[in-house]
Amino acid sequence: LAKITQPISMDSYEGQEVNITCSHNNIATNDYITWYQQFPSQGPRFIIQGYKTKVTNEVASLFIPADRKSSTLSLPRVSLSDTAVYYCLVGRLSDYKLSFGAGTTVTVRA
Amino acid sequence: DAGVIQSPRHEVTEMGQEVTLRCKPISGHNSLFWYRQTMMRGLELLIYFNNNVPIDDSGMPEDRFSAKMPNASFSTLKIQPSEPRDSAVYFCASRTSGPRTDTQYFGPGTRLTVL
Repeated sequence: LAKITQPISMDSYEGQEVNITCSHNNIATNDYITWYQQFPSQGPRFIIQGYKTKVTNEVASLFIPADRKSSTLSLPRVSLSDTAVYYCLVGRLSDYKLSFGAGTTVTVRA
Repeated sequence: DAGVIQSPRHEVTEMGQEVTLRCKPISGHNSLFWYRQTMMRGLELLIYFNNNVPIDDSGMPEDRFSAKMPNASFSTLKIQPSEPRDSAVYFCASRTSGPRTDTQYFGPGTRLTVL
């Protein structure tokens, strides 16, 4: 299983861009990289998923370098409602081998 | 779609009692996962079902834990007998996959407290 490291916490202000980097040195060839967001008393919610290069959707971007040993979740222009815990997940569901990071608590201040 | 449904949302029980947690996956999803979340250990995958068949239960902590999926729309996670260290939030998730995606959708969780 991939060993995952992500920062414990990050602080930001409304309107700023937040970048969270996840390290996964022993990622396997077929592994996806997925990010989830979790609010208190709720289940994790899918944000974005990628395999290589860059992926963008309506809420975030995911940057994956060529060696795939790390990935960066980018949240543009955060608001107070983006305060949550963000989890990096590496693995392939079809292979049943998944590794969750410990989560990064992002606090957005006014 | 209502999403993944879990019940109960909260459960308080005494040590030694049997606890049954329930999950209804999203219609059409053929894979189901049970997770446990604690402050100390984070998110842990307990067991995975594919087409109602348990595929990997290596994450189940011990024989006191068991899970079933009698049909595509229902799964249970049972703890018998329960212990205080089983206190955690238990999540169920179902999976959708396609040519370029492979992700899971989580339920709201069941917060279990064993006294």
